[in-house]
Amino acid sequence: QSVLTQPPSASGTPGQRVTISCSGSSSNIGSNYVYWYQQLPGTAPKLLIYRNNQRPSGVPDRFSGSKSGTSASLAISGLRSEDEADYYCAAWDDSLSGPEVVFGGGTKLTVL
Amino acid sequence: EVQLVQSGAEVKKPGESLKISCKGSGYSFTSYWIGWVRQMPGKGLEWMGIIYPGDSDTRYSPSFQGQVTISADKSISTAYLQWSSLKASDTAMYYCVRHSGNYYGSGGPDYWGQGTLVTVSS
Repeated sequence: QSVLTQPPSASGTPGQRVTISCSGSSSNIGSNYVYWYQQLPGTAPKLLIYRNNQRPSGVPDRFSGSKSGTSASLAISGLRSEDEADYYCAAWDDSLSGPEVVFGGGTKLTVL
Repeated sequence: EVQLVQSGAEVKKPGESLKISCKGSGYSFTSYWIGWVRQMPGKGLEWMGIIYPGDSDTRYSPSFQGQVTISADKSISTAYLQWSSLKASDTAMYYCVRHSGNYYGSGGPDYWGQGTLVTVSS
């Protein structure tokens, strides 16, 4: 069971806007930055969003991130077939045993 | 260009030892934390631990403490993940990641290696 909670699946049609949620607690999302990763089939994850809402160079502005309290969201607008992938959120967690990075369980996005 | 290049796939028997590697290039290897992430077949991502190659400060997730050893050789810009006695449940893809922050707990993974598939089977 993952520390951060994501829906296991999401779907949309080309051109649509899709949102993926990530729920945590005060020790992780509530007090630290959120990161989002895209994992295309058979490849390593790739950084999509850092520090809640910042896009690395090369990531299309169709991808956006937001955070409010202990939850975060990834939005993908103008959905394209190549966006079909697994998406993971992550954050540092200030646990009693020392800080560690925690991930969500991942959301499989299907483009219908 | 930042690159993390990992060693090739391994097939091992239960009880055997293993050390996989991750070579960094395109940035100052001693100035960024390097972490390891496990992905079991068909499952999600799990953060295992982290090392600062500059002084070898190493931290582990409680879930992996005592199960693996993380090390680094800054002279050759390479980090390692090793097991002393593999189990079938260690079968997974292992990724090395560079963390973006300068101090422990400050930045998340930004660059990822291509992954090393470890298969443990009798």
